[in-house]
Amino acid sequence: RKEVEQDPGPFNVPEGATVAFNCTYSNSASQSFFWYRQDCRKEPKLLMSVYSSGNEDGRFTAQLNRASQYISLLIRDSKLSDSATYLCVVRGGSYIPTFGRGTSLIVHP
Amino acid sequence: GAVVSQHPSRVICKSGTSVKIECRSLDFQATTMFWYRQFPKQSLMLMATSNEGSKATYEQGVEKDKFLINHASLTLSTLTVTSAHPEDSSFYICSAQKREVDREQFFGPGTRLTVL
Repeated sequence: RKEVEQDPGPFNVPEGATVAFNCTYSNSASQSFFWYRQDCRKEPKLLMSVYSSGNEDGRFTAQLNRASQYISLLIRDSKLSDSATYLCVVRGGSYIPTFGRGTSLIVHP
Repeated sequence: GAVVSQHPSRVICKSGTSVKIECRSLDFQATTMFWYRQFPKQSLMLMATSNEGSKATYEQGVEKDKFLINHASLTLSTLTVTSAHPEDSSFYICSAQKREVDREQFFGPGTRLTVL
């Protein structure tokens, strides 16, 4: 089993739709969790950290479920500019991050 | 926000040559830098973890004699791909981790290497 697993997609949604991604991790000792966004042929950029209590940033909501070992990202009112690959990142006590393969999102008019 | 630069952004070289890629944290000190490689439609694969003043820690399957990493200061790490071959063609990305408690990491813009 891979350490961090994501559905590669692509998720193809119309503008305005709500879309959710999940990411599962295998190491129960993982301590911090992040969602990154990566545009084609660019470096990843931090979208948001994921806290135990869940967190929201505008149209984006991230949640952590430690019992089931997954994190989620919800995007409301999708925009064309949200089209990208969303990477799940998990980090343990050593601070070395492990990346998921990424989930591709395509928002169409 | 913190800025990490990478140079060069793109390089094309002949098979057998060596290529050096620089990663700099411009406005913060990074005790740790990571080097990743990403093939098309694949996830980022960690190649090595570089700590300032000590030898890099390589991930399994990454040849340390082929991918030389030097982290001479708190703001600079270099990756040298020695005797490059076409299969080394990839997108190489570094990231620098802040010293502060949250250890947030910031990515460089990446270097696209093409070996002919």
